Amino acid sequence: KQEVTQIPAALSVPEGENLVLNCSFTDSAIYNLQWFRQDPGKGLTSLLLIQSSQREQTSGRLNASLDKSSGRSTLYIAASQPGDSATYLCAVFYNTDKLIFGTGTRLQVFP
Amino acid sequence: DTAVSQTPKYLVTQMGNDKSIKCEQNLGHDTMYWYKQDSKKFLKIMFSYNNKELIINETVPNRFSPKSPDKAHLNLHINSLELGDSAVYFCASSIRGGAGEKLFFGSGTQLSVL
Repeated sequence: KQEVTQIPAALSVPEGENLVLNCSFTDSAIYNLQWFRQDPGKGLTSLLLIQSSQREQTSGRLNASLDKSSGRSTLYIAASQPGDSATYLCAVFYNTDKLIFGTGTRLQVFP
Repeated sequence: DTAVSQTPKYLVTQMGNDKSIKCEQNLGHDTMYWYKQDSKKFLKIMFSYNNKELIINETVPNRFSPKSPDKAHLNLHINSLELGDSAVYFCASSIRGGAGEKLFFGSGTQLSVL
């Protein structure tokens, strides 16, 4: 069964900390993995997309890594800010043409 | 200019009613989707349409009927609403619907069935 799990479910950190969000998936036959941000009452914003042949992608203070063999991805957020507070969703596009979402990590960064 | 827009943003209705949610994308994409996010925040695909044709239909009750008048629009009509239909429904689109394409999401419609 193709599943995506995210740990932790919630995270609260002071401003300025570097943090890591984890995503694990059960099947390594994937096209790509995407990290999304979801703000309350708003849609999903795509942050980073890593193709199955890639190891990592970077955008500003965000860095996402992919280890297909172990079925894991991490989203690293450097120097966190209160504006980073949101729910972060990991989604895996499997070779069965299905995009499977994790349940998300709810992040709160306090001043 | 919003790329994927849904209306309404909030929908509160009684059990047994019929309601529709509209979605439009101005990205020129061929493929559109409906996703459902339940109370546990789990997102799951319901339907996908490519150029007005149904591609994916995931074990969704037939009370849910998507309609695509053209490739820029994918509306979701729900008959005989039930309490368990309460959720946030997201519309999305991608260029061609090919495997691994980036998806663009609307802001969601929060449906509450009383």
